[in-house]
Amino acid sequence: EVQLVESGGGLIQPGGSLRLSCAASGFSVSRYYMSWVRQAPGKGLEWVSVLYSVGGAYYADSVKGRFTISRDNSKNTLFLQLNRLTVDDTAVYYCAREGLGIRALDIWGQGTMVTVSS
Amino acid sequence: SYVLTQPPSVSVAPGQTARIACGGNNIETKSVHWFQQKAGQAPVLVVFDDTDRPSGIPERFSGSNSGNTATLIISRVEAGDEADYYCQVWDSSGDHPGIFGGGTKLTVL
Repeated sequence: EVQLVESGGGLIQPGGSLRLSCAASGFSVSRYYMSWVRQAPGKGLEWVSVLYSVGGAYYADSVKGRFTISRDNSKNTLFLQLNRLTVDDTAVYYCAREGLGIRALDIWGQGTMVTVSS
Repeated sequence: SYVLTQPPSVSVAPGQTARIACGGNNIETKSVHWFQQKAGQAPVLVVFDDTDRPSGIPERFSGSNSGNTATLIISRVEAGDEADYYCQVWDSSGDHPGIFGGGTKLTVL
């Protein structure tokens, strides 16, 4: 079964760091474009970052310079390193896969909650 | 950067047709994807590349894209269609390519 499972969320103080993981099954993350999308409480979806299969990465302006997307092919896992966190980063973080041949996010994880608060 | 605009809410009676608009500058030149998100759940892709449906999505879901407006069309609306709907495009002109609309709450009366 094709599946994504996020983990690593939690309560963190402003200025802190966190690493989110997204474990894939049923496909290889190395062959697909993989994105992180977040949703603040009661708000809409916000695209955060994409990692291309060939290795290039892009970020939303709101996280550029603070967040880093990466993957471990041997673990078939996507990561998002979150640094210098602020209260505005509080959100559910989803990882999602773009389908091969279609640039649409066809598989999503269940999300992991990150709460930034003192 | 590219902006997508959606109405905050749309209401429709069961059995009727719901149309959810997504406005963007010359959006017809882009491929538009639509997601359904029910309360407490992850988003689900319901229409991709303007008009195509993933496997498992009912034929009642369709889309169009012309000029400055893309539209998600839900025919014969059911109570189970009540959800938030988001449009999305990839904007290759910038270095932060993923763009979502603000979302539309579909209420089934």
